[in-house]
Amino acid sequence: DQQVKQNSPSLSVQEGRISILNCDYTNSMFDYFLWYKKYPAEGPTFLISISSIKDKNEDGRFTVFLNKSAKHLSLHIVPSQPGDSAVYFCAALYGGSQGNLIFGKGTKLSVKP
Amino acid sequence: EAGVAQSPRYKIIEKRQSVAFWCNPISGHATLYWYQQILGQGPKLLIQFQNNGVVDDSQLPKDRFSAERLKGVDSTLKIQPAKLEDSAVYLCASSDSGRGGEETQYFGPGTRLLVL
Repeated sequence: DQQVKQNSPSLSVQEGRISILNCDYTNSMFDYFLWYKKYPAEGPTFLISISSIKDKNEDGRFTVFLNKSAKHLSLHIVPSQPGDSAVYFCAALYGGSQGNLIFGKGTKLSVKP
Repeated sequence: EAGVAQSPRYKIIEKRQSVAFWCNPISGHATLYWYQQILGQGPKLLIQFQNNGVVDDSQLPKDRFSAERLKGVDSTLKIQPAKLEDSAVYLCASSDSGRGGEETQYFGPGTRLLVL
């Protein structure tokens, strides 16, 4: 049973526009969430994270929003650039975890020039 | 700073054969993780080491998979014998302080295994 769900396998966006990637989770014990970006033939690279005590975290063009009541988080990329084209994974940790990241299946983002 | 190194990058074997993967984490990183990523899925943790001790191996199929981290630095993951369903990318990651949890995990490029 998938505890972290990314229901959109792919997303296509025009350069300069906003990209919104969504993630839902089922385990209310999760209290820390991360987004990783993965290019082909490379390992995932950490992008941004958010603790459950916050509802928003920003880092440059990347913002993550957390809605705990809905068990939903989203990653916003503004403005989107062609170099952002990659697979984005949502991951979660639960309190007391020593690092066992639970990953979603990923969303492939394509940013078209 | 050098990243996480893994070898080989690709491996093709027949079912029932054995295979081993090697990982060298970022220098000084106490925690090392092995993940399995099947096509179309997210990575799934197989085993976590802190220094040379096992922290979590609850999802490691111990009848065929084994891993070790001698001297608390590099690590090997072995499959013996391999099955068709073991075809996947095997990712190694490391993190800094050994507490695990919220600290950033840095991933290597992975080893892509194909079992025929």
